[in-house]
Amino acid sequence: ETGVTQTPRHLVMGMTNKKSLKCEQHLGHNAMYWYKQSAKKPLELMFVYSLEERVENNSVPSRFSPECPNSSHLFLHLHTLQPEDSALYLCASSQVGALAEAFFGQGTRLTVV
Amino acid sequence: AQSVSQHNHHVILSEAASLELGCNYSYGGTVNLFWYVQYPGQHLQLLLKYFSGDPLVKGIKGFEAEFIKSKFSFNLRKPSVQWSDTAEYFCAVNMKGNTPLVFGKGTRLSVIA
Repeated sequence: ETGVTQTPRHLVMGMTNKKSLKCEQHLGHNAMYWYKQSAKKPLELMFVYSLEERVENNSVPSRFSPECPNSSHLFLHLHTLQPEDSALYLCASSQVGALAEAFFGQGTRLTVV
Repeated sequence: AQSVSQHNHHVILSEAASLELGCNYSYGGTVNLFWYVQYPGQHLQLLLKYFSGDPLVKGIKGFEAEFIKSKFSFNLRKPSVQWSDTAEYFCAVNMKGNTPLVFGKGTRLSVIA
């Protein structure tokens, strides 16, 4: 248990579906992140929320839409995905301004069919 | 842009062998350095980190890493590996000020009896 909980753990969706990934952190952190982990590629930063405001969006396709309603919750809304979007999606949190590392959830394994 | 290079994609060692995994980063400023480990089916967890001070950092489970500023390197070492060290190892960097972590591609370590 890392203090960062992601649901669901596994998700299979069709290309026309709409689904959402959820992340919740119980560590009192004020920054949250979405990373994508694909086979044989570096972990890719997708979105950063610091103090509930989006501060970075690394040119992620618009079919991925993040939402951060408060400092403890982070969502990733998915719609009209492609098979190449199949990957492990990791949520992480950290404390802005502190010499602290990021804590990761266990990830959601997404398969787009 | 920052980048992190991990030289080995897959390393296979016998138990009790010594381990060194390479990590180089490309950023000229002041950085924080991390090694994360991901055991099969588990979340990413911090192995060790360097922020300042003694460039030789000791982490959990007998791992250590040495920051060599002139070489932009932060190699991970362990004198004697165990079967339970089989995992994927990720080097990560961020700039001072708690910017998001940038990860290398990871190195898969397989330890055989």
